[in-house]
Amino acid sequence: GEDVEQSLFLSVREGDSSVINCTYTDSSSTYLYWYKQEPGAGLQLLTYIFSNMDMKQDQRLTVLLNKKDKHLSLRIADTQTGDSAIYFCAENNRGSTLGRLYFGRGTQLTVWP
Amino acid sequence: ETGVTQTPRHLVMGMTNKKSLKCEQHLGHNAMYWYKQSAKKPLELMFVYNFKEQTENNSVPSRFSPECPNSSHLFLHLHTLQPEDSALYLCASSRLASTQDSNQPQHFGDGTRLSIL
Repeated sequence: GEDVEQSLFLSVREGDSSVINCTYTDSSSTYLYWYKQEPGAGLQLLTYIFSNMDMKQDQRLTVLLNKKDKHLSLRIADTQTGDSAIYFCAENNRGSTLGRLYFGRGTQLTVWP
Repeated sequence: ETGVTQTPRHLVMGMTNKKSLKCEQHLGHNAMYWYKQSAKKPLELMFVYNFKEQTENNSVPSRFSPECPNSSHLFLHLHTLQPEDSALYLCASSRLASTQDSNQPQHFGDGTRLSIL
């Protein structure tokens, strides 16, 4: 099985909150990341959280980390049509492989007007 | 201006052609990465360079040949590719000098969309 798992699709109405979930398996992960990919573009770093934190907030984005359950979520408040994109969860720090990130398959977020 | 620039944005080539993908970063980073993004598959790490030295080759076929002449530039030389190599190739960079820096986030370019005929 895959080590970083995300649901593939999420649809929300404009103005509602979106919650994208991610589970991972490596308990030694020290940083977890959220990236956004818009059509025809690369991955844009949205935010990241250190494993000794439970929550991080940055404007409309809230990241929640449950280290015990190895569960990470990204909440987008007041979701806009411009938030439609693929969102990737990633984690690191497996063994001694410097710089290696492990990505989920991505969640396609569709925002309906 | 994006911190990581990839050229070309699109490339169509035959299986017998030789081409190169280029990546340049303006962020002062010392580590650079090549990823392959295919439909319906997770992002695949191909190569990692740290201070111009290759630190990881993730079992990539020899028809892909990376080159890192300095910490700001990374190339991927392509030769005798197969149709299954059609994908989006993404370059990334990060500040990475030791295990203490291994958690620095990676910054991505917009990728090269490669199509093999």
